[in-house]
This record gives sequence, C-alpha cells and structure tokens, in this order.
Amino acid sequence: AQSVAQPEDQVNVAEGNPLTVKCTYSVSGNPYLFWYVQYPNRGLQFLLKYITGDNLVKGSYGFEAEFNKSQTSFHLKKPSALVSDSALYFCAVRALGGSYIPTFGRGTSLIVHP
Amino acid sequence: ETGVTQSPTHLIKTRGQQVTLRCSSQSGHNTVSWYQQALGQGPQFIFQYYREEENGRGNFPPRFSGLQFPNYSSELNVNALELDDSALYLCASSPPGQGVQNTGELFFGEGSRLTVL
Repeated sequence: AQSVAQPEDQVNVAEGNPLTVKCTYSVSGNPYLFWYVQYPNRGLQFLLKYITGDNLVKGSYGFEAEFNKSQTSFHLKKPSALVSDSALYFCAVRALGGSYIPTFGRGTSLIVHP
Repeated sequence: ETGVTQSPTHLIKTRGQQVTLRCSSQSGHNTVSWYQQALGQGPQFIFQYYREEENGRGNFPPRFSGLQFPNYSSELNVNALELDDSALYLCASSPPGQGVQNTGELFFGEGSRLTVL
C-alpha cells in the first residue's frame, strides 16, 4: 500500500519569508512524487514532480521540492513567499512499476500574510 | 490549447437520485481519470479510462460507473445517491506517450460540486 502524510493542516508565513510545506510518503519500491496547488473553487494545478535524478526539483511559480529517500520526504519550498501563494497544497505519490494510481495527501493550507 | 472542462459546475440532488457528470479532456489527451474530493480531504481516485476502457478503479462501489467516448471525453455516473456522495468531483486528463501507466502529471478540470440532500 502507498500513503502520503502532510503533517500540517495549515502553514502560516509572512510575505517575503521562506516557506516549507512538509510531505512524507510510504511506497513499495521507488516513488514518483508530485505537488499540486488548489486555489479556492478551482481544480488542482500541477507544480512539480520527482521521477528520478537530482534530489532538488524546480517547478512552477518559483517553487522547488527536495526528495530525501532516507527520510521518505518530499518537502515543498519557496525562498520568498508571496500573498498570492496562499492556497491548498497537495502532495501525491505513486510507485514506479507498481499501481499507477496516485495517492494524495489531505492537503496543507498555506496562508501568506502581508 | 483547451484545458479540461467539466459540467455542470454545481448541482443539487436528493438521496436516491442519479447524476451524470461530464468531462472534456485537454486536447490530445487520451487518458481520463475521476476523483472525489470531500470537504477537507485530498482527492480520492475513483477510476481511470484509457482508449474507452476502464483500466483502474479505486475503492468505490459499483454504483459509481463511467464511460469514455471516442473523442476521449468522459462521463461519471452515480446511482442511488447517498448523503456522503456530496463532494467536489474532479476530472483529470493526461497525454499520450505516458501509456496506461501514467508517469506524469495530471491536468485537472475545475470540478463539479455535488450536493446531496
């Protein structure tokens, strides 16, 4: 079975400060990892993915994520937060060679204060 | 390039009724999957269609069914609606080249919000 944990329901950060949204996963074998963002009353938008290669993945809107195999984590980061980054963020995982059905976390609400 | 579109955006049904939700995949995308997102939860996989056949299903009862058409658009049908079916239903498409085992990102529509009274 595969699973994703997003341990924080909400993350608060001041505009201009760095932000981190945490994600840990459990999967049999090597993982494919994804981050999506959801704005109010909208569908999910893809931010970035890790398949293989460099542990630091760069994505849309200045976001990046660091894959850490030993800690089974894939934390989302941004050096300088914007108020417009305020949204719901979802981490997802699926196993390489296994079920192609991705499992999503419960989501983390990011609030960036002016 | 036209993105994933879903209809209707909102609808209200009563318990026991049936509902059909529709999805047009992004241009060139041949795989469509459906997700249920309950309030405060992440998306839960319902099923996926590839070349008009269901090729994966999550933990949902048979009253959840679907179709994919030759133009890759899709429908989600839910029979005998229950109160717990109230949720945002998301359709996602993915492009060819990724094959049946989707290795890449999903392109989501904005969803259909279903309320069951």
